[in-house]
Amino acid sequence: DMKVTQMPRYLIKRMGENVLLECGQDMSHETMYWYRQDPGLGLQLIYISYDVDSNSEGDIPKGYRVSRKKREHFSLILDSAKTNQTSVYFCASSLDREVFFGKGTRLTVV
Amino acid sequence: KTQVEQSPQSLVVRQGENCVLQCNYSVTPDNHLRWFKQDTGKGLVSLTVLVDQKDKTSNGRYSATLDKDAKHSTLHITATLLDDTATYICVVGDRGSALGRLHFGAGTQLIVIP
Repeated sequence: DMKVTQMPRYLIKRMGENVLLECGQDMSHETMYWYRQDPGLGLQLIYISYDVDSNSEGDIPKGYRVSRKKREHFSLILDSAKTNQTSVYFCASSLDREVFFGKGTRLTVV
Repeated sequence: KTQVEQSPQSLVVRQGENCVLQCNYSVTPDNHLRWFKQDTGKGLVSLTVLVDQKDKTSNGRYSATLDKDAKHSTLHITATLLDDTATYICVVGDRGSALGRLHFGAGTQLIVIP
């Protein structure tokens, strides 16, 4: 069963706290992504990972960093969260033209 | 600058009616185009992918067209059901490999009423 799993699904953090969003996939895909989705906008690419320890900035990397130490696991880290990072975060993995998305993590920074 | 424009932004139809969603894009190159369905609070689920210069696909009550010359795609939903209520997102891939980028539209919110 092809699946991308995100944890947690919902998270509330105070401004300045650190945030860890986790993503796992069971398809051995090399490429994984982190996106954020805000109302009225298309998904925006934060980071892309081509394999273990092979990560590249996307279009909006500022304020975020990532970690990929195993192929099946990709983490998004917010050091000192800001209120404008309140959003829904999606992880995805892909192989050629196929792409699979997780169910998203709704992060609220207060 | 937005490279994938979807219209309408939102649409209300009665159950059983047909509807058409539009996607215009300026992404170059345009290797493929995919339509996703996103239920409220959920992830994106792929409905169909179009690849050829002029392509057509069909997946149950969903059918789609792509014209790469016009950089235009349509998604047709036939005999809508209440469960079709969702946001439909058009995504253009500029390559068919992991080196490519996906370009997302903001989505069309479809509401199906009884």
